[in-house]
Amino acid sequence: QVLLVQSGAEVKKPGASVKVSCKASGYSFTTYTMHWVRQAPGQGLEWMGWINTGNGDTKYSQKFQDRLTITRDTSATTAYMDLSSLRSEDTAFYYCARDLYDHFFDAWGQGTLVTVSS
Amino acid sequence: EIVLTQSPATLSLSPGERATLSCWASQSINTDLAWYQQTLGQPPRLLIHYASNRATGVPARFSGSGSGTDFTLTISSLEPEDFAVYYCQQRNNWPPTFGGGTKVEIK
Repeated sequence: QVLLVQSGAEVKKPGASVKVSCKASGYSFTTYTMHWVRQAPGQGLEWMGWINTGNGDTKYSQKFQDRLTITRDTSATTAYMDLSSLRSEDTAFYYCARDLYDHFFDAWGQGTLVTVSS
Repeated sequence: EIVLTQSPATLSLSPGERATLSCWASQSINTDLAWYQQTLGQPPRLLIHYASNRATGVPARFSGSGSGTDFTLTISSLEPEDFAVYYCQQRNNWPPTFGGGTKVEIK
């Protein structure tokens, strides 16, 4: 079955960077675009960006354009989300999500809590 | 960017009752809308895509309707596992955006 397994929780200081991984299994990794979505505790969902896992093309929300990098390792069937210059407002659960039909998301990772605190 | 407004914010119902959740888009999005269910501590789960198509494995008690700017998710008879938060999401206009959610709670 389709499985997306993310790396564990992180605690970072303001100004630092965080890299979250998303290991995919159960399907052909390079066939489906991977997205990243975040959710502050008790809040709604916010789309961040995507990566074409086949050719590596990326597209980011303008909100994160300057400090978000999404990459992938096809041999490891893993996508990565790197967010820099962290601030307290970045405290959230970060989810990877597989693209089903051009920006509908049919499989999600379990989420990774990133806490930004001094 | 397109703003999605969900109503009500909270819906208090009993098991077996019918739930009707609304989602309004700030401009027409055709049928480019999905619904997700999120239970506590879990990631979202896709229920409906293209406004009315149930995702794989989703029970028939969940149905979606609407087009343009007005959309509805209906749960015909609430089961205990249906008490959760529901989000709508549009993909018609970049960037994809989500509504603020409707919490369906036990009355």
